[in-house]
Amino acid sequence: DIQMTQSPSSLSASVGDRVTVTCRASQGISTSLNWYQQKPGKAPNLLIYAASSLQSGVPSRFSGSGSGTDFTLTISSLQPEDFATYYCQQGYRTPYTFGQGTELEIK
Amino acid sequence: QITLKESGPTLVKPTQTLTLTCTFSGFSLNTTGVAVGWIRQPAGKALEWLAVIFWDDDKRYSPSLNSRLAITKDTSKNQVVLTMTNMDPMDTATYYCAHRPRVRGYNYFDPWGQGTLVTVSS
Repeated sequence: DIQMTQSPSSLSASVGDRVTVTCRASQGISTSLNWYQQKPGKAPNLLIYAASSLQSGVPSRFSGSGSGTDFTLTISSLQPEDFATYYCQQGYRTPYTFGQGTELEIK
Repeated sequence: QITLKESGPTLVKPTQTLTLTCTFSGFSLNTTGVAVGWIRQPAGKALEWLAVIFWDDDKRYSPSLNSRLAITKDTSKNQVVLTMTNMDPMDTATYYCAHRPRVRGYNYFDPWGQGTLVTVSS
């Protein structure tokens, strides 16, 4: 299995901050990396696919980058509705493993 | 608009078999490239990918659960069924089904169903 490791596990930030979450794959996955946002009691919502493609309807303050084993999700200016948990997921090979999640909290 | 909804028992006993149904609309599992996957999430924990079934009936499973899982599709009913045998309290989780779009070379899930909470307890 390809292991996905996110860092940090949790992060405190303020509205307006620029935030970066990283995800590392245990082997190269090209750009087959996706990011999801999950709010409490809700299903995950796709933000970014193929490492850097913004899903339709997702605000442009979200961006993704990376290839191979190292990836980042950046939120350029945090909004109140962005406080949630973020997961990366590799789509390179089954099993399509997820990272352990990054909980973004209000400072 | 694509929608998916999970259904099944909310409570199962240890050793029993769980059968979950994903009923979807807005797409066809006869369409080349399309797939439906299952993912679960214990309360307060991370997402765990379980299985996926593709338009051509190719099926893939989590290696750690492979011996306990089976996924099937009924394209006439727009349904995908996941069965998990020998349920254990550790299998208590919210189970989601999700659509894998027809995008060549990439595998991601969008949208997801609302999820269904399954509790395993005697």
